[in-house]
Amino acid sequence: NAGVTQTPKFRVLKTGQSMTLLCAQDMNHEYMYWYRQDPGMGLRLIHYSVGEGTTAKGEVPDGYNVSRLKKQNFLLGLESAAPSQTSVYFCASTPGRLNTEAFFGQGTRLTVV
Amino acid sequence: GENVEQHPSTLSVQEGDSAVIKCTYSDSASNYFPWYKQELGKRPQLIIDIRSNVGEKKDQRIAVTLNKTAKHFSLHITETQPEDSAVYFCAASYSGGGADGLTFGKGTHLIIQP
Repeated sequence: NAGVTQTPKFRVLKTGQSMTLLCAQDMNHEYMYWYRQDPGMGLRLIHYSVGEGTTAKGEVPDGYNVSRLKKQNFLLGLESAAPSQTSVYFCASTPGRLNTEAFFGQGTRLTVV
Repeated sequence: GENVEQHPSTLSVQEGDSAVIKCTYSDSASNYFPWYKQELGKRPQLIIDIRSNVGEKKDQRIAVTLNKTAKHFSLHITETQPEDSAVYFCAASYSGGGADGLTFGKGTHLIIQP
């Protein structure tokens, strides 16, 4: 049982380039989330999804888009990367209710130069 | 939306002593309060959680207390050990209605001095 898996683990982008981060979970969870983690800032919610085909904005959505075409996958896209998007990105999932444990992926370290 | 404040940002304690990390939240509708531990370069992992219908919960050397009236909750670690060194995050969420996800505090770097 792999849990939550993120691809890639590391990436360096040039300003203006685009990329997609993939999150896959094999626990049949309904809810999935993308967070970014910056030093001294904790984890901040970017976008989330409460089920296949649905997405919603979190606290810091600007510059990001997401898609949930399949229940097990949640994609995070950067259309035109900026240095301010240098961060560690974590995907997480929960079974369907918020008051249960959130399982995190191993993180993606993204650097935009 | 919810706002979670966490203190202190860094906490250094002698091995064997106790450590206490405190959090306050703003939304009285929040009803779930987990604590996550993140070791360097690793993913956050749940260590303990508490729901709003409970005032205290304990799991071996770790305990969490919740004061709904004051809107604050605390993590207590007793008999600290070197492997307790990590960053700890508190969080809050509301499970009814919307699904905004967990709101996290900014983290506490716990350092266990030998």
